[in-house]
Amino acid sequence: AQSVTQPDIHITVSEGASLELRCNYSYGATPYLFWYVQSPGQGLQLLLKYFSGDTLVQGIKGFEAEFKRSQSSFNLRKPSVHWSDAAEYFCAVGESGNTPLVFGKGTRLSVIA
Amino acid sequence: NAGVTQTPKFQVLKTGQSMTLQCAQDMNHEYMSWYRQDPGMGLRLIHYSVGAGITDQGEVPNGYNVSRSTTEDFPLRLLSAAPSQTSVYFCASRLGTQLKPTQSGYGYTFGSGTRLTVV
Repeated sequence: AQSVTQPDIHITVSEGASLELRCNYSYGATPYLFWYVQSPGQGLQLLLKYFSGDTLVQGIKGFEAEFKRSQSSFNLRKPSVHWSDAAEYFCAVGESGNTPLVFGKGTRLSVIA
Repeated sequence: NAGVTQTPKFQVLKTGQSMTLQCAQDMNHEYMSWYRQDPGMGLRLIHYSVGAGITDQGEVPNGYNVSRSTTEDFPLRLLSAAPSQTSVYFCASRLGTQLKPTQSGYGYTFGSGTRLTVV
């Protein structure tokens, strides 16, 4: 069965610092990978997704993620964090067909001045 | 397009009461699903459907029923609410179960959520 692990429950970074959120997946074939962001009290917004091709994908709000098959990872990065990036971030894995989307437990990002 | 509409946005129930959380989409999406979100647990799949008349259980189906009589609607029923069902519920849909992610139109659309409290 598919599974997604986000090892960091909570991360605090200073505004302007770089950010990397980790995501590891367990899946037999090539997975389809997603990062979502959820601001407090809000729904989920898609940041970026990877299906195939270039392993470095660009998303909205200046985020990017790199797919590394050898490490079963899909880490999210941002070179300079803004206070408005404080939110919860979810990594998810899915595929076409009838398999549902499986989410990690999330990483809460706090941004300090 | 309205996208995925969930109603109500907030609900308080007493233990043992029943209710239905509504989810409707106007995008002709074949695939629909229900998740619950709890602190530290991420989103866990309750039930999903790959088309009208077809439903299947997810990771945490106990205490919930679903049906899919139309393509547009996928209601989630709590027959006898319990405090453990206090959560935020999200409905999500996706076009065509045979559509590959590389094809145009592939992507999940989420509703804005229903916050349910069972006392």
